[in-house]
Amino acid sequence: TQLLEQSPQFLSIQEGENLTVYCNSSSVFSSLQWYRQEPGEGPVLLVTVVTGGEVKKLKRLTFQFGDARKDSSLHITAAQPGDTGLYLCAGVSSNDYKLSFGAGTTVTVRA
Amino acid sequence: DVKVTQSSRYLVKRTGEKVFLECVQDMDHENMFWYRQDPGLGLRLIYFSYDVKMKEKGDIPEGYSVSREKKERFSLILESASTNQTSMYLCASIDGQGYEQYFGPGTRLTVT
Repeated sequence: TQLLEQSPQFLSIQEGENLTVYCNSSSVFSSLQWYRQEPGEGPVLLVTVVTGGEVKKLKRLTFQFGDARKDSSLHITAAQPGDTGLYLCAGVSSNDYKLSFGAGTTVTVRA
Repeated sequence: DVKVTQSSRYLVKRTGEKVFLECVQDMDHENMFWYRQDPGLGLRLIYFSYDVKMKEKGDIPEGYSVSREKKERFSLILESASTNQTSMYLCASIDGQGYEQYFGPGTRLTVT
């Protein structure tokens, strides 16, 4: 059973469109991370959100952490082909360094 | 830049073979992890290590063992490979100050 549920599983959009990926859990996390993974590579950290209600922006990417620290969203504005990849959310427990990963959302941005 | 390297990018082994996957990190990180990644399942933790010679089971340790004789090196061992261990294997490390895990490029293992 996945501790973190991501939706949608797949997303294919045209360049210039917006998209949102969701990450939901019934558990509370001390923080939540978003990673992007490109084919043939390991995941790379994009952002860590720590405070409930926190919003972080990374250029065209906006990350939000839910007030209850159980859910998060990633919004990409005006997507570009370079945004194509597998997006993974990961919850951080307060007691150790272990991460609980979602299954991932495969995003394809068509030129 | 933190660098995590894995010994092979692609590996093909036969059922019953003993398989060694090696991971090396160059940032003196205390904590190292082995995951497997399967479509639709995300990353699942196999084993992790907080220090040299220390190991802890993750969520799916069955069929695997690990070795950490030196701080920079964490090895994953498949004692007797089976076809259901065909997967992408990812190694990661993290220092004691933060929560960013640095991943290696992965080893795609096929067991036939």
